[in-house]
Amino acid sequence: DQQVKQNSPSLSVQEGRISILNCDYTNSMFDYFLWYKKYPAEGPTFLISISSIKDKNEDGRFTVFLNKSAKHLSLHIVPSQPGDSAVYFCAASEGQGGSEKLVFGKGTKLTVNP
Amino acid sequence: EPEVTQTPSHQVTQMGQEVILRCVPISNHLYFYWYRQILGQKVEFLVSFYNNEISEKSEIFDDRFSVERPDGSNFTLKIRSTKLEDSAMYFCASSGLWERGLGYTFGSGTRLTVV
Repeated sequence: DQQVKQNSPSLSVQEGRISILNCDYTNSMFDYFLWYKKYPAEGPTFLISISSIKDKNEDGRFTVFLNKSAKHLSLHIVPSQPGDSAVYFCAASEGQGGSEKLVFGKGTKLTVNP
Repeated sequence: EPEVTQTPSHQVTQMGQEVILRCVPISNHLYFYWYRQILGQKVEFLVSFYNNEISEKSEIFDDRFSVERPDGSNFTLKIRSTKLEDSAMYFCASSGLWERGLGYTFGSGTRLTVV
């Protein structure tokens, strides 16, 4: 039962161009969506999140868009840099107070070519 | 920057043995978690822990698994009677009280190999 889906296992873009990573979800009760970045041999690192009451959140080169009607979110990275090459995980949470269980997608491996 | 520390980085154990994975969460955090990632698969929730008790656990977290915070700083995951399918990367994470949407801080993980 995949509640969070990342259908593209990999993405390759040129340095300076836009990277768009996509994520779909099925559970309408999710109220926060998060993106994590993971380098080999490291733990996931939080990147950016969005509340379900918003449709856009921006932080520097990273923007997350949420389309609740389509149960779809995307992460835009502009401009892409070689250091952005990593596996990106989409995650969603249905919080209970301060403790939140995250449901992750399978990840998309982004490669930014110089 | 504060970080979550996990030891060991790699643990090899024989099937049927017990293992203890150790974590030192960020000192002022109150919520603690264990996740695992089987090679090539998604990161999966195992358990959350708050105020010295389990808040939530997944189906994976069967009666072979246990967690404890023995001394106020360490947070451990114990797996008894290990199975081959327990082989995975195990990640510890912690978060503060009102930090929903700010994400957890994850450790670098312990790679558990059951042979």
